[in-house]
Amino acid sequence: QKEVEQDPGPLSVPEGAIVSLNCTYSNSAFQYFMWYRQYSRKGPELLMYTYSSGNKEDGRFTAQVDKSSKYISLFIRDSQPSDSATYLCAMSGPNFGNEKLTFGTGTRLTIIP
Amino acid sequence: DAGVTQSPTHLIKTRGQQVTLRCSPKSGHDTVSWYQQALGQGPQFIFQYYEEEERQRGNFPDRFSGHQFPNYSSELNVNALLLGDSALYLCASSGGLAGWNEQFFGPGTRLTVL
Repeated sequence: QKEVEQDPGPLSVPEGAIVSLNCTYSNSAFQYFMWYRQYSRKGPELLMYTYSSGNKEDGRFTAQVDKSSKYISLFIRDSQPSDSATYLCAMSGPNFGNEKLTFGTGTRLTIIP
Repeated sequence: DAGVTQSPTHLIKTRGQQVTLRCSPKSGHDTVSWYQQALGQGPQFIFQYYEEEERQRGNFPDRFSGHQFPNYSSELNVNALLLGDSALYLCASSGGLAGWNEQFFGPGTRLTVL
C-alpha cells in the first residue's frame, strides 16, 4: 500500500464549476500537507500548504485537512481553463524544506471552456 | 532571480550507460533534493544534500549517487542505466536564511533510456 493515495483521473469539468481533489494517506507522522500544480513539461509549483488539521483559503482555492480520517482535499471555485494542469498532493513531517516530500500520483484536470 | 535551473533539458542514453544531471539552486538556498517522476506518476524522493553531504535518502539503489559543491549546486549520477530509469528528474532547492522553508522545483531533465 502506498503512503499517499490519489485518484489519477483524468477529470474534466466545465468552466465555472467547483472542482474537488482528494488524497488519503497512511503515515500518522505527516504534519505538512501541500498541493502542487504541475503544467505540462514543467516542474511542480506549490499552490497551498496546511500545517496539521484545518482549512486554509487563498482566493479561489481552499485546502482542507482531516487528520482523524487521514484525508485531505483541495477545492477550486469558479474554475478557469488556466487551472488545467496536474494537481499533486504532497506530505512531509515537521521539517518541511529539510526532509523528503511524499507525493500522490497526481490528478490530471481539464477545464472545458 | 533565475530560480532553480537544471541541465540538460533532455537526454537520450542506452542501457548500461552512465548519466550526470546538474542542478543550480535558487539564490540563497543551501539544500538540494532530487526526485524521479515516471510518466503518469508523482515525484519519488531520491536523496537530499546539505553542506555537501547526503542528509536523507529514499528507496533507490546505489546506482543513484550525488554530489553537492561548495556553491550549493548539485549533480545526480546514475550508473548502469536501465529502461526503467526513463523519467523526468526534478531538482528542488530549499533552506538558507528565509524563515519559510519551501522546496522550489526546477523544470526537470527528461531522461530517455533506449
